[in-house]
Amino acid sequence: QKEVEQDPGPLSVPEGAIVSLNCTYSNSAFQYFMWYRQYSRKGPELLMYTYSSGNKEDGRFTAQVDKSSKYISLFIRDSQPSDSATYLCAMRRDTGFQKLVFGTGTRLLVSP
Amino acid sequence: DAGVTQSPTHLIKTRGQQVTLRCSPKSGHDTVSWYQQALGQGPQFIFQYYEEEERQRGNFPDRFSGHQFPNYSSELNVNALLLGDSALYLCASSTPVGLDEQFFGPGTRLTVL
Repeated sequence: QKEVEQDPGPLSVPEGAIVSLNCTYSNSAFQYFMWYRQYSRKGPELLMYTYSSGNKEDGRFTAQVDKSSKYISLFIRDSQPSDSATYLCAMRRDTGFQKLVFGTGTRLLVSP
Repeated sequence: DAGVTQSPTHLIKTRGQQVTLRCSPKSGHDTVSWYQQALGQGPQFIFQYYEEEERQRGNFPDRFSGHQFPNYSSELNVNALLLGDSALYLCASSTPVGLDEQFFGPGTRLTVL
């Protein structure tokens, strides 16, 4: 079993829709949770960064962490065609020099 | 402020050859991590360098080695290339402690024929 599970998609939605992206994980030691956006043939770009449980909002993006369920989510409001990309969840433990553990990524397609 | 830079952008090698990839971290960052991303997969951690030493290593064979220079830039070396080494190689930089997140470069796409 992988440490981090993520549905690869693709997820297709119309412009303006609310998008929900999710990851589950098995290692309870993970404390830091991130969402990265990756356009085709580019490096991942950090979108959201949260510590432990709770919600964090930044513009059209909201990240949620539920440590009791080992489940994290990213919501995108008013989705735009420019949001079409692969979204990677990542997480790491609560000490220095810790590697990021990634999900496989979910490919999102937003149609005009 | 330049972000993380990597070179070359892409390269093609044949099986058995050796390759060196280079990375310059974001200004103010002194820790460099390397990841391998196969097509359709998430990045997999190779190793991390801080103060010119390898601090942590992922599940990769000894064919993968690295180096960090006093200016914090880093190299990834892969010997005896296999077809399965074809991937996007990503460099990420950060500070080593606390809440700082990792910022990624654009990657080097390696094709092994």
